[in-house]
Parts: sequence; structure tokens; C-alpha cells
Amino acid sequence: QSALTQPASVSASPGQSITISCTGTSSDVGGYNYVSWYQRHPGKAPKLIIYDVTNRPSGVSNRFSGSKSGNTASLTISGLQAEDEAVYYCTSYAINSRVFFGGGTTLTVL
Amino acid sequence: QVHLVESGGGVVQPGGSLRLSCVGTGFRFSTYGMHWLRQAPGKGLEWVAVIWYDATNKHYGDSVKGRFTISRDNSNNIVYLQMNSLGAEDTAVYYCARDEGEGRTVYYFDSWGQGTLVTVSS
Repeated sequence: QSALTQPASVSASPGQSITISCTGTSSDVGGYNYVSWYQRHPGKAPKLIIYDVTNRPSGVSNRFSGSKSGNTASLTISGLQAEDEAVYYCTSYAINSRVFFGGGTTLTVL
Repeated sequence: QVHLVESGGGVVQPGGSLRLSCVGTGFRFSTYGMHWLRQAPGKGLEWVAVIWYDATNKHYGDSVKGRFTISRDNSNNIVYLQMNSLGAEDTAVYYCARDEGEGRTVYYFDSWGQGTLVTVSS
């Protein structure tokens, strides 16, 4: 069982928006602004798409955005495209210098 | 271009040991923290350990603390993961990944290796 809780799957049609939640505790998500999100396509390495809760690395589409409220972080993808179909993982820095992962959310673009 | 290549995986009996290696090229290895992560069959990703760029700090995930040891050789651009007292729950593909921060550790992963499979089985 993963330390952070994500929905197992989400689906939507092209052009729509989706939000993936990532719930932790006050010792990880709620206690630090060090949440990140990764996109992973089959057979590929995970790609960092959000860091420090809201920041996008250079080259990542502005259709991806992050936020946090209390112990729950969220990833929103707007204007869904077929290429967004992937597994999304959240991570959080946690007390005692650890990193926790969410279990991953499979996004299906219908 | 950053390139990370893991090696050392294989089949090991329960209670046994294995040492994984990861060679990093295409960047100044000695200025980046390095992580090990893993993914068990059918499961999600799990962070295993980190070593700071200068090896002054090392931290471990709860499931491996006391059994695994991370180390690095900055002269040869290698990070290691010594795994002892292995159990079936350690069966996974193990990845090394570079920390996104240079000269500091930020606990984000911006480059990953292709992974090496460790199977713990009798």
C-alpha cells in the first residue's frame, strides 16, 4: 500500500479537463511544499511535470498545473490530448528526509 | 546528454545479497545527488534511497532501512546499492535516478536509467 493515496484511474474525452488527487498526511504533503508529479508512458522513464507543488519544468505544457490544500495535492490537466494518456504519480518529501509515492493514476483519454 | 545505466540485477535466494551499480555519463556526476527507486511487478513506484552529491548524507525508505546501503564513487561516476537480507518483497525493477538539484538535493528525479531486474526466489 502506497503512502500517498491517488485514484486508480480517471478518464475523460479530448479537450476536457481532469484533476488527480494525492492525499497524504501532515508529515508529508501537508507539511512541506515539496510535492511533485510524474508522467509515465508505457515502456518509458517517468517524466517530471510538476515540482514544488505548482512549478513546471522547462518544456512542460502549461496545460499541466498543480495545487495543494491541506494534506491533499492535485494535478489538473486541461485541454486533454491523446498523448496525455499515461500513468501519473505524485510524490512528496516526508519527515526524516524520505520520499513517498502515490500508487499511480491511469489516465485514459476516451 | 544525461545517461544512466544500471547493472547487477539477477536472481538471488531469500536472505541473500546483491549489489547494484549505476554509471552516470553526460553530466558532472559529482555535483548531483543520486537516488535508487524500484517498481515491483504490478505495483507502483517506490523510493528506496538517496545519497547527496558529496556523500555527506544518505537516507532510506522504511522498507529497506537497515538492509540496504547506498554509496558512490565520484571518481568513476558510479552509485551503488548494496542489498542484504533480501526477501520476496524486494523483487522489483530497480532504477537509479539523478536528483534535479545541482550542488543541493531537492528530491525530484529528472533523469532515470532503464532499470535492472532483481528477483528474489528460491
